[in-house]
Amino acid sequence: QQQVKQSPQSLIVQKGGISIINCAYENTAFDYFPWYQQFPGKGPALLIAIRPDVSEKKEGRFTISFNKSAKQFSLHIMDSQPGDSATYFCAASNLGGATNKLIFGTGTLLAVQP
Amino acid sequence: EPEVTQTPSHQVTQMGQEVILRCVPISNHLYFYWYRQILGQKVEFLVSFYNNEISEKSEIFDDQFSVERPDGSNFTLKIRSTKLEDSAMYFCASRGLYEQYFGPGTRLTVT
Repeated sequence: QQQVKQSPQSLIVQKGGISIINCAYENTAFDYFPWYQQFPGKGPALLIAIRPDVSEKKEGRFTISFNKSAKQFSLHIMDSQPGDSATYFCAASNLGGATNKLIFGTGTLLAVQP
Repeated sequence: EPEVTQTPSHQVTQMGQEVILRCVPISNHLYFYWYRQILGQKVEFLVSFYNNEISEKSEIFDDQFSVERPDGSNFTLKIRSTKLEDSAMYFCASRGLYEQYFGPGTRLTVT
């Protein structure tokens, strides 16, 4: 019940296209859903996050869509650029828990072709 | 912009040796974490630390692991007797209100 399932495992998008990565969770106690971007050899960098009181959050070219009833959330990258090529991890946490540890998805390797 | 720093960036050690990985969290954060990432896999929670004590640990965090905040700035992860399977990237993270910020990681290679 602690798992976060992420798909697809890898994604190839043309420059200017839309990249969409999906995640699903089971634990209804999760109430914080961040996305992290990771370049090779680097630490995960917080990209954008959402709480379940809203269905969508947008920051620049990055949008999180959240469906509480389906227990799914997704990351949309608009106008994808070669510099967006990285591994993207969704995560979930229970902010009301003792530790707020992050449970990560398995990652999506995004390649944006010029 | 404040950031989490980690040293060393790469540590090579022989099986059975002790290693200490060091982290300097963001200065006004109170919650600290260690995560591990085996090459090509997802990031896994190891341990969380608050108010000078462990608040939660995963199954991975067995008796060979320990954490400490020896002073007001450093946060360390010690592995007493390293095994080959401990080879991974180790990330420190610190949290303010909601967001967890990760350091650049220490690549631990056990030979």
